[in-house]
Amino acid sequence: KAGVTQTPRYLIKTRGQQVTLSCSPISGHRSVSWYQQTPGQGLQFLFEYFSETQRNKGNFPGRFSGRQFSNSRSEMNVSTLELGDSALYLCASSLEGAGTDTQYFGPGTRLTVL
Amino acid sequence: AQSVTQLDSQVPVFEEAPVELRCNYSSSVSVYLFWYVQYPNQGLQLLLKYLSGSTLVKSINGFEAEFNKSQTSFHLRKPSVHISDTAEYFCAVSNTGGFKTIFGAGTRLFVKA
Repeated sequence: KAGVTQTPRYLIKTRGQQVTLSCSPISGHRSVSWYQQTPGQGLQFLFEYFSETQRNKGNFPGRFSGRQFSNSRSEMNVSTLELGDSALYLCASSLEGAGTDTQYFGPGTRLTVL
Repeated sequence: AQSVTQLDSQVPVFEEAPVELRCNYSSSVSVYLFWYVQYPNQGLQLLLKYLSGSTLVKSINGFEAEFNKSQTSFHLRKPSVHISDTAEYFCAVSNTGGFKTIFGAGTRLFVKA
């Protein structure tokens, strides 16, 4: 079974631009979560989607948004990029998104904002 | 609100020595606890998890963690580390119905020869 895939793997953008990141979960997994990983901060929870519905979100500004499609693939969008948005963005999928579920992570998209 | 504190950002240790990576959490409800590992240039993967039952849980590669409810801790231990254990380790907590997993800041384990 294929793992979680994320595209693109690397992105370089300038301040003020917007970016869209994509995540394809493991087949059969219906929950997708997004995290921002930065040195010293660990993984910061962005949001979780299940059956095209956002069930929870973290403490990030409205510039960060996401969606999930009927095939469980998910995208996240960051508008009006700031230098501080430079980070590794990780996507994780799980069967139902239950608290007991193991999350399976993709390799991440490294975003650099200049 | 839930939170996770990993008390050490870096832990250097010699090969074959024992190691303990500390994790404390806070939560007003019952929790599930996880340790994930991120090897260099790889994605995160589950190491072990506590859901219920026995408070001592073990991984296939010799790590173990003990859930201590009174001390709200879930420390990770290994009696003898290998060079290949060099990685970053993340403690995480979730609960029923939260649809959200909170991760600690990570502990970088560096095993020296």
